[in-house]
Amino acid sequence: GESVGLHLPTLSVQEGDNSIINCAYSNSASDYFIWYKQESGKGPQFIIDIRSNMDKRQGQRVTVLLNKTVKHLSLQIAATQPGDSAVYFCAENTEAAGNKLTFGGGTRVLVKP
Amino acid sequence: EPEVTQTPSHQVTQMGQEVILRCVPISNHLYFYWYRQILGQKVEFLVSFYNNEISEKSEIFDDQFSVERPDGSNFTLKIRSTKLEDSAMYFCASSVWTGELFFGEGSRLTVL
Repeated sequence: GESVGLHLPTLSVQEGDNSIINCAYSNSASDYFIWYKQESGKGPQFIIDIRSNMDKRQGQRVTVLLNKTVKHLSLQIAATQPGDSAVYFCAENTEAAGNKLTFGGGTRVLVKP
Repeated sequence: EPEVTQTPSHQVTQMGQEVILRCVPISNHLYFYWYRQILGQKVEFLVSFYNNEISEKSEIFDDQFSVERPDGSNFTLKIRSTKLEDSAMYFCASSVWTGELFFGEGSRLTVL
């Protein structure tokens, strides 16, 4: 069936280093991908999105890479800060599914001072 | 900055009781959603709502669940007869189009 999953449940990173969070998806029809950040006790917060006609998109300190050949999505956070400590979810959507986002299992990022 | 607001932040109820979770989506948004997250698990889609009707729902959203937009600002999720397994964080979300969703802070439901 359709699934979106993450390779690493927990990522510890030194403050100032770059973080890379990975996500695999299985639905080749997916055409829209989003990364969300969830801090403890809060709702998912939109970080960045990418459409399937792109392979890279950059935001402020974040970059999302999409490799449709291997159905892989990654989020790169540059110069990770303590405020980046959170759980990060990838989510995918297909136009046929309306706006029914399918979320991955989440990766916890812990930033060490 | 506009935000989705949800009430209550936490509700404790007895099994079999009815619960209504309330949401005020962002004012110019047209699409509304409920998602839920059981503790320690992934966020799961429940239902989407557009033009005053349900546009899609998941298999979780059975006859015990209903949604309503009673006025121009509120969007509610009702669970008619709560079960223990309904305990979760319920997130409301809204969007301008079928793209970027903005989530509320969530309502934690505890069923005893």
